[in-house]
Amino acid sequence: AQKVTQAQTEISVVEKEDVTLDCVYETRDTTYYLFWYKQPPSGELVFLIRRNSFDEQNEISGRYSWNFQKSTSSFNFTITASQVVDSAVYFCALSEVLNQAGTALIFGKGTTLSVSS
Amino acid sequence: NAGVTQTPKFRILKIGQSMTLQCAQDMNHNYMYWYRQDPGMGLKLIYYSVGAGITDKGEVPNGYNVSRSTTEDFPLRLELAAPSQTSVYFCASSQYNSPLHFGNGTRLTVT
Repeated sequence: AQKVTQAQTEISVVEKEDVTLDCVYETRDTTYYLFWYKQPPSGELVFLIRRNSFDEQNEISGRYSWNFQKSTSSFNFTITASQVVDSAVYFCALSEVLNQAGTALIFGKGTTLSVSS
Repeated sequence: NAGVTQTPKFRILKIGQSMTLQCAQDMNHNYMYWYRQDPGMGLKLIYYSVGAGITDKGEVPNGYNVSRSTTEDFPLRLELAAPSQTSVYFCASSQYNSPLHFGNGTRLTVT
């Protein structure tokens, strides 16, 4: 079955600390996509990254980096030198092929990150 | 560029009432989705559509209906509101295997 597990429900850090958000997935598909979304306190969902299952290169974007390891079915997200503005709920998601030949996303339950000053 | 527009932003319903949550996108995306978000539970797929005239159930479709008469619009209908439908509803659109673009959500309370 398709599943995304974010085992960390809540994480609290102090500004400038590094923090890693874990994501483990299960899928029967050989080709799939993984995503991370951010949901700040204002409530909207902001797309952060998409990764193809064939591309295991790590990705870095400013203070954000992502580590995709197919061997362990993990797609972890690290924030370096965290800031108060990083406080949000972060969702990991996995693409799923649907009956009508479309795709949708299966979401993990999210990790709430609180960064204090 | 409006993206995905949801209305209303907030709504309070009494048990048994009905309502339609509106969703429109202006990106000419084929795929549209309705998700609900409950505290600590992530987002769960209610219904989806792969194009005008084609819809199908997601993980949690009971108590809801949808239609897709145009590419742009994908309304979600609640016929007999129940307290279990208290949630935040998100509409989204995308192209195939592309990131979902979400609306800002509708917070619904059923009392």
